[in-house]
Amino acid sequence: SQQGEEDPQALSIQEGENATMNCSYKTSINNLQWYRQNSGRGLVHLILIRSNEREKHSGRLRVTLDTSKKSSSLLITASRAADTASYFCATDARETSGSRLTFGEGTQLTVNP
Amino acid sequence: ETGVTQSPTHLIKTRGQQVTLRCSSQSGHNTVSWYQQALGQGPQFIFQYYREEENGRGNFPPRFSGLQFPNYSSELNVNALELDDSALYLCASSFLMTEQETQYFGPGTRLLVL
Repeated sequence: SQQGEEDPQALSIQEGENATMNCSYKTSINNLQWYRQNSGRGLVHLILIRSNEREKHSGRLRVTLDTSKKSSSLLITASRAADTASYFCATDARETSGSRLTFGEGTQLTVNP
Repeated sequence: ETGVTQSPTHLIKTRGQQVTLRCSSQSGHNTVSWYQQALGQGPQFIFQYYREEENGRGNFPPRFSGLQFPNYSSELNVNALELDDSALYLCASSFLMTEQETQYFGPGTRLLVL
């Protein structure tokens, strides 16, 4: 079963606009990661935020984490048509040794030129 | 490009058959994880191998099995294929050292079971 839930399931915006995707999860985590997937291909790692961090930036990406609400958001600023993809959050609960990522069902982002 | 490769890219099998999928880890990584992604869903963790031993398993039946070799490449084997096994199978390599490891995914193998 999926731990995370992304919202919205689908998002359509115009080039240049900002896109915000949200993720909620259920258990305690060590970190939360965001991945991108183009057309059912492999996942590309975007950013990792640790449980003791509240905000992180990477280029046009901004991720926030609220562990009290068990939620995270991914903001893509000044979006481009090439940002069109599915975006997944994944939590690493580290209940045992090793990293077991639990993914949400993703947000399909469409950026219209 | 992550440096993680998978083969084959696509595969068609019939129900009841067996399949072997392969993954080559990124150089320097010692851990490989396998995920199943059904159409329209997020990936689900199958299992992880570290130093050639299973290091955690998701909610998948025993007919899903794996191997990791000394060069850290890996195989996923699925016996007695069922229609619901049709999915994209992703492997991810990482270096198990800290609690904040990043997993690097390959392009996946798309399996269709008829």
